Amino acid sequence: AQSVTQLGSHVSVSEGALVLLRCNYSSSVPPYLFWYVQYPNQGLQLLLKYTSAATLVKGINGFEAEFKKSETSFHLTKPSAHMSDAAEYFCAVTVSGGTSYGKLTFGQGTILTVHP
Amino acid sequence: NAGVTQTPKFRVLKTGQSMTLLCAQDMNHEYMYWYRQDPGMGLRLIHYSVGEGTTAKGEVPDGYNVSRLKKQNFLLGLESAAPSQTSVYFCASRREGNQPQHFGDGTRLSIL
Repeated sequence: AQSVTQLGSHVSVSEGALVLLRCNYSSSVPPYLFWYVQYPNQGLQLLLKYTSAATLVKGINGFEAEFKKSETSFHLTKPSAHMSDAAEYFCAVTVSGGTSYGKLTFGQGTILTVHP
Repeated sequence: NAGVTQTPKFRVLKTGQSMTLLCAQDMNHEYMYWYRQDPGMGLRLIHYSVGEGTTAKGEVPDGYNVSRLKKQNFLLGLESAAPSQTSVYFCASRREGNQPQHFGDGTRLSIL
């Protein structure tokens, strides 16, 4: 079985500062990893995905994440925060094949607050 | 592009009442999923389907039933609603391969 831990349920940054949201995963087989963003009263929108190609993945809105197998991590970063980045972010894991059927296991979520 | 559409968007029920949540996707996706979202717990999988006519249990299936009679629709039923089922419910779909899931905007369900 897979699991995901997001370190920090709330992260607060100033506008223009670096955004770092932490995600660690556990999986006995090579994982596929995703970051989703959820704005208030909306569904989840895909930010980026890692599916065993390049370990540094670029997503929408200037976000990127690096897959580090040795650290079992997939942290999300953005060099300069914008007010519009305020939302809740979810890291999720799945694996390929078998009886996985693409089922996602989600982390608990991290709420990002951006201060002017 | 409609994508994944959930109806209704909001609903208030009394304990013991029944209801059905509808999820419709227009992307011809094989796989569909129902999740519930509760504060501090992320999203948890209730049931899923790998194709028309198939359903399977997820992580938290108790108290829910599902049906997928048509490929584009995935229904989630609560036979006898309980306050513990107060949550936001999300439907998602995806196509075959290592593809991401596409989510609807959710249904906010309150059970009094």
